[in-house]
Amino acid sequence: EVQLVESGGGLVQPGGSLRLSCAASGFTFSNYAMTWVRQAPGKGLEWVSSISESGGSTNYADSVKGRFTISRDNSKSTVFLQMNSLRADDTAVYYCAKGGEANLRWTFDSWGQGILVTVSS
Amino acid sequence: EIVLTQSPATLSLSPGERATLSCRASQSVTRYLAWYQQKPGQAPRLLIYDASNRATGIPARFSGSGSGTDFTLTISSLEPEDFAVYYCQQRSNWPLTFGGGTKVEI
Repeated sequence: EVQLVESGGGLVQPGGSLRLSCAASGFTFSNYAMTWVRQAPGKGLEWVSSISESGGSTNYADSVKGRFTISRDNSKSTVFLQMNSLRADDTAVYYCAKGGEANLRWTFDSWGQGILVTVSS
Repeated sequence: EIVLTQSPATLSLSPGERATLSCRASQSVTRYLAWYQQKPGQAPRLLIYDASNRATGIPARFSGSGSGTDFTLTISSLEPEDFAVYYCQQRSNWPLTFGGGTKVEI
């Protein structure tokens, strides 16, 4: 059974940093692309960032480009999201999501339970 | 950026009725469109990928259709557990984008 468990969220002041982790199990992690998606309170889903299977290719939403960095450690089956220069509008539940097979890597067939990040003074 | 517009924002129906949800893209996404279901306090769940393919374990009452810019998710006969918010998502171009969602309520 696929499991994705996020950690590292919490309350941070504007301008601060957080590092989210997503520990994966139940599948061969290095064979799948991974993505972070967020959801502000009471709002819809927003794609944040994606990383290829090897980690050699990454993409970011304009809203986080230059502030967030996605990475992965295939030896530990974990994907990370380093978030710097955090702003109030980054407040959201952050989900990690597993890509599908082959050409479906940017369709998300499994999701973590989500982790809340609150940016406030 | 490809904008996905979902309509209606809210759909008020009863169990047993048919639900028809729309997702319109600002430019063609060919068939690279997925649908997700999200219930309160839960993570989204993949229902349909590439416009019309049901994901593993998804009941046959869920079906998807469309191509290019116009897509439809149909729930043939609503079950009580189907009342939720539904999102479409395109993977045709970066950035990946989601629609604003349709809430299906009783």
